[in-house]
Amino acid sequence: DAGVIQSPRHEVTEMGQEVTLRCKPISGHNSLFWYRQTMMRGLELLIYFNNNVPIDDSGMPEDRFSAKMPNASFSTLKIQPSEPRDSAVYFCASSLVGYRNEQFFGPGTRLTVL
Amino acid sequence: QQQVKQSPQSLIVQKGGISIINCAYENTAFDYFPWYQQFPGKGPALLIAIRPDVSEKKEGRFTISFNKSAKQFSLHIMDSQPGDSATYFCAASTYTGNQFYFGTGTSLTVIP
Repeated sequence: DAGVIQSPRHEVTEMGQEVTLRCKPISGHNSLFWYRQTMMRGLELLIYFNNNVPIDDSGMPEDRFSAKMPNASFSTLKIQPSEPRDSAVYFCASSLVGYRNEQFFGPGTRLTVL
Repeated sequence: QQQVKQSPQSLIVQKGGISIINCAYENTAFDYFPWYQQFPGKGPALLIAIRPDVSEKKEGRFTISFNKSAKQFSLHIMDSQPGDSATYFCAASTYTGNQFYFGTGTSLTVIP
């Protein structure tokens, strides 16, 4: 299996622009997680889906952030408008729904907002 | 509010030494505690995990010690090697779901 695939790997944009991050989970996995990693706050869960349904989005910082999972093999995280404080590495992870199941992380997208 | 508190933030150890990273939690509903390892430019990957019905789990040079009464757990890396240099995250989850609550991470550097 190719593992979790994220694109783009790097994104540089200007403040106010819309940013879309993409994720393809491991085939057969039915839970998908979006995390943000910064030096100050470590690894923060933004939102997660089970069977394409958002379960907990309490970690989404504000209304500028939105996430969708239209089908089992694709998810997007959108920031509109972007701000410099959104600069971070964004990870997508997938797992099987259920207790104690390992989460498999993608390589991340490094976002820089100028 | 950070559900899992991790320390230290960074750690420098000589090759062959013991690296120790500590985590603490308050939520008594937590009953699964994985550790993830992250190399630069990569996503975190599962290293080792423990359930609260055991006090210790060992896999090679990596050992988790778990103290249920103190609500603390720690990762010990014996005979630390330069290849162990990475960021380590502790995490916890409850028996009701598959969401992990991660610590803030520890950057480990092993000096040759």
